[in-house]
Amino acid sequence: GENVEQHPSTLSVQEGDSAVIKCTYSDSASNYFPWYKQELGKRPQLIIDIRSNVGEKKDQRIAVTLNKTAKHFSLHITETQPEDSAVYFCAAPTTDSWGKLQFGAGTQVVVTP
Amino acid sequence: NAGVTQTPKFQVLKTGQSMTLQCAQDMNHNSMYWYRQDPGMGLRLIYYSASEGTTDKGEVPNGYNVSRLNKREFSLRLESAAPSQTSVYFCASSGRRGLDEQFFGPGTRLTVL
Repeated sequence: GENVEQHPSTLSVQEGDSAVIKCTYSDSASNYFPWYKQELGKRPQLIIDIRSNVGEKKDQRIAVTLNKTAKHFSLHITETQPEDSAVYFCAAPTTDSWGKLQFGAGTQVVVTP
Repeated sequence: NAGVTQTPKFQVLKTGQSMTLQCAQDMNHNSMYWYRQDPGMGLRLIYYSASEGTTDKGEVPNGYNVSRLNKREFSLRLESAAPSQTSVYFCASSGRRGLDEQFFGPGTRLTVL
């Protein structure tokens, strides 16, 4: 099955600085990599995803990069704002008979003014 | 559209009691999932249902059972609750198994005394 490792577990950044979260996966056949954001007391919500046929995807201040050779993908948040404070989860699909998602343990991001 | 709904929002049980968590989605999704979320451990899959009429075990199925009642509804049952089942439970649904956005419900916070 898939094994997804996420680092760091906590990340404190000054408002306006960039934040980077990295995830590694074990199954080279994985082909879909989503990122979810969970604000305190709320449900996880998809913020961006990337499929294996592209190396980078951007959406305003967030971007995801994928390195299939090294089997890792990263979330980049630029010009961080207080509303970016949340827990971020990466995920990758297992490639067993069904293809369910395996989530990383999460990164607590705190943006300080 | 309500998206994914869950009931109840909060529940306190005594060890050995049973209960059923209800989940419904109105997005005509085929796939539905139950996760539990514990501090520092991300989202762990309990059971999933690829389509109406099918269910299968996830990463942590022991102590739980599920029923895919119809395309809209997917319930999770704890037959004899244990303190180790104290957690936040999320239901989710997606249109395409494993490779598409998962939409989460608001969660149920369960405490087992």
